[in-house]
Amino acid sequence: GAGVSQTPSNKVTEKGKYVELRCDPISGHTALYWYRQSLGQGPEFLIYFQGTGAADDSGLPNDRFFAVRPEGSVSTLKIQRTERGDSAVYLCASSFDEGAYEQFFGPGTRLTVL
Amino acid sequence: GESVGLHLPTLSVQEGDNSIINCAYSNSASDYFIWYKQESGKGPQFIIDIRSNMDKRQGQRVTVLLNKTVKHLSLQIAATQPGDSAVYFCAEKWGAQKLVFGQGTRLTINP
Repeated sequence: GAGVSQTPSNKVTEKGKYVELRCDPISGHTALYWYRQSLGQGPEFLIYFQGTGAADDSGLPNDRFFAVRPEGSVSTLKIQRTERGDSAVYLCASSFDEGAYEQFFGPGTRLTVL
Repeated sequence: GESVGLHLPTLSVQEGDNSIINCAYSNSASDYFIWYKQESGKGPQFIIDIRSNMDKRQGQRVTVLLNKTVKHLSLQIAATQPGDSAVYFCAEKWGAQKLVFGQGTRLTINP
C-alpha cells in the first residue's frame, strides 16, 4: 500500500517568507509526527498528533512554527517569518495509533531558506 | 539532557563481513528502542526494534542487543551487502510517543 507522502519534496524560500509543508499519512493511521533533520544529524522531534489534536508539541522551537491536522488525516506544518536556520529536511511519520510503537517515515521535504 | 549518541560516526566494512554499530542512550526509563536505516534522499526506514524487557532480538540478517546496565544498544548486520550502505540511527522512545534519535553512523560497504 501507499506509504507516507510529503509535498513538496523541495522548497526554496527567502528569509522572512511563510511556508507550508504537507504530510499525507498512511491510510488508517491515527497518529502523526513531525521531525526536523539537520545535515549530519538525526531527526529531532517537533510535534505529535493523535487524531486532530496535538498531543505533544514540546519540540516546536518557537512560535513561528505551527502544525494542524483538522480532519485527523493530512497535516500541514506552517513556518512563519522563515530564518536561514530553519533550513533542514522536515520529516513526517505516522503510526497505526498512539499505542503502536513503529513509526513509518515519509521521504521528507527539504527546506532551504536563502 | 535528551541524547542518544553513537560511538563512531563512520564505519567501513568489506562486503560479506559482519558489521556492528553501537549506540549509547541516556534515558534509563526508556522501554523501547529502534534502529532505522536512512539512504540518501529518503526518510528513515525501520530495521528492527527491541523492548526493554529483552536483551536480544533477531531479524533477517540483523540482530539488536540491549545492555540496560550500561545503557548500550548495538546493531549487528550479518554478511553485509552493497545495499546495506546507509546511515544507521538508533532511537529511544521517550514518554508516550516521542522518539529521540542519535546522530547516526554512516556504514560503507567496500567491494
